[in-house]
Amino acid sequence: GESVGLHLPTLSVQEGDNSIINCAYSNSASDYFIWYKQESGKGPQFIIDIRSNMDKRQGQRVTVLLNKTVKHLSLQIAATQPGDSAVYFCAETHNQGGKLIFGQGTELSVKP
Amino acid sequence: AAGVIQSPRHLIKEKRETATLKCYPIPRHDTVYWYQQGPGQDPQFLISFYEKMQSDKGSIPDRFSAQQFSDYHSELNMSSLELGDSALYFCASSLGLEVSGANVLTFGAGSRLTVL
Repeated sequence: GESVGLHLPTLSVQEGDNSIINCAYSNSASDYFIWYKQESGKGPQFIIDIRSNMDKRQGQRVTVLLNKTVKHLSLQIAATQPGDSAVYFCAETHNQGGKLIFGQGTELSVKP
Repeated sequence: AAGVIQSPRHLIKEKRETATLKCYPIPRHDTVYWYQQGPGQDPQFLISFYEKMQSDKGSIPDRFSAQQFSDYHSELNMSSLELGDSALYFCASSLGLEVSGANVLTFGAGSRLTVL
């Protein structure tokens, strides 16, 4: 039979607004986390990472927050632009051991 | 800068046929990972290789096999294809198994397999 894709959570924001994308991770032993951006038809692209001994890390227009108590990650994008429209995935790994486990993506749509 | 190269970009096969996907890692990268991404789903880890040896195995069906060659490129072989195998297949590479800010997994553009 025909396979039916799952519907990703979506976040729609106005250009210039700030965006917050959330992710719950599964393994309390995970010690390294990455946010990836995936545009349609392309592979995931690295955005920002954070180690488990930190709770916040900032990049250019992006900030990642880590709450280990509730196993939660968030990605904040400041002054969101149309080019930020994509699906965003968080990924986790343990002992920085290469293999990444991806969380459910969120589709960000930026309205001009 | 050279990226991860995957071929073919698109592939259409019939049920029960065989398909082979190729991945050429970033130069000097010795570790490759294969992921499968169904429509609207997150990438699922299949298998990885470090220095031509399997380093980890995920949810890879027994019908699939993979290997890494002496030049570090990798091939994913899929046999007895099923409709549910239709997906995007991504390869990623890194230098060694320790992933960190300076050595994150870099993904290719993917190979889209459609099984009819």
